[in-house]
Amino acid sequence: EVQLVESGGGLVQPGGSLRLSCAASGFTFSSFWMHWVRQAPGKGLVWVSRIYSDGSSTSYADSVKGRFTISRDNAKNTLYLQMYSLRAEDTAVYYCTRALELGGDWGQGTLVTVSS
Amino acid sequence: QAVLTQPSSLSASPGASASLTCTLRSGINVGSYKIYWYQQKPGSPPQYLLSYKSDSNKQQDSGVPSRFSGSKDASANAGILLISGLQSEDEADYYCMIWHSTAYVFGTGTRVTVL
Repeated sequence: EVQLVESGGGLVQPGGSLRLSCAASGFTFSSFWMHWVRQAPGKGLVWVSRIYSDGSSTSYADSVKGRFTISRDNAKNTLYLQMYSLRAEDTAVYYCTRALELGGDWGQGTLVTVSS
Repeated sequence: QAVLTQPSSLSASPGASASLTCTLRSGINVGSYKIYWYQQKPGSPPQYLLSYKSDSNKQQDSGVPSRFSGSKDASANAGILLISGLQSEDEADYYCMIWHSTAYVFGTGTRVTVL
């Protein structure tokens, strides 16, 4: 069974940083694209970033480009999202997803709140 | 104008059919895209339902009932999710998605209420 467990969310001040993690199990992690998708409270889904199976290629939404960095450790079956210069509008539940291009499996999400 | 526009809400009776549209912005041709559909219930992550590009290029996730199906309306430049025989458990938010340019784009979402 595919399991994706996000962690690292919390309350951070504007301009601060946070690193999210996603522990994966139940599949061959190193074989799949991985993605982050976020959802602000009461709002819709927004794709944030993706990373190729071996980490050699990454893409970002314009809204986070230059501020967020996606990475992965295939030896630890873990996906990361390093977030810098956080803004109030980054407040959201952040979901880790596997292979969105195939439909995807989703974690339960971790809430990031940016507020002073 | 959003890349993908969905009606904000739709209500229907149990047993009825519901047609959810996902309209692509002018200049973006629906025929070129695979459209993904997701269901999200309150407090839960989205769940993948199906994808549709054409009758010969479509996929339904395992466990998704056959009363969920995808199609396109080229004249309206829209993707369609049809839910036949609506059940109370279908009450949820539904999102469409495409890969456009260099990013995945989600639709604005439709809340389906089963009266």
